[in-house]
Amino acid sequence: DTAVSQTPKYLVTQMGNDKSIKCEQNLGHDTMYWYKQDSKKFLKIMFSYNNKELIINETVPNRFSPKSPDKAHLNLHINSLELGDSAVYFCASSHYSGHTGELFFGEGSRLTVL
Amino acid sequence: LAKTTQPISMDSYEGQEVNITCSHNNIATNDYITWYQQFPSQGPRFIIQGYKTKVTNEVASLFIPADRKSSTLSLPRVSLSDTAVYYCLVGENNAGGTSYGKLTFGQGTILTVHP
Repeated sequence: DTAVSQTPKYLVTQMGNDKSIKCEQNLGHDTMYWYKQDSKKFLKIMFSYNNKELIINETVPNRFSPKSPDKAHLNLHINSLELGDSAVYFCASSHYSGHTGELFFGEGSRLTVL
Repeated sequence: LAKTTQPISMDSYEGQEVNITCSHNNIATNDYITWYQQFPSQGPRFIIQGYKTKVTNEVASLFIPADRKSSTLSLPRVSLSDTAVYYCLVGENNAGGTSYGKLTFGQGTILTVHP
């Protein structure tokens, strides 16, 4: 069983379109994240949710809207896609407290905006 | 947040021990040091975490001097499958910490293991 799974793995779309990436974790964790990895391999936090509540929003444009229907799911919707949004988006999860803080990552969703 | 500095790349040969050093001069009292490994087309994977002195698990060892301004990830007897990017992170070790969730993975160290 995949611990953190994201779909789709690849996404190619035109500028201006709207797209969504879904993430699910079956680890029983209470915190989930979206990270963006650019072409230079920097991996930056975008959002973090704890028990469906937004706890971190790292100055991401409001074209990006995360939604957490329950603590096992965190989806990312992107409106009006721009060329600069091309990247690999990783979902991750962890315990909120009392643990090592180990992040468990999905395999990533490669978004290409043409 | 404490910034980390690592070598951009390293080369090694199968069977050798590899040591990757990370500098983190501004590490805070509550910060832990964590290392992740990332293979192409995969998400990063936790390797090891420590606060001070030495930590060892089945995969690696982590050496942290008393001043904690640097740390060294040691991979014993590397194999071709250890070719990956290795990231050093510094921050609080649980998501409830004020700095934890804002961890940024830097460029990392590209380790290439040759036959």
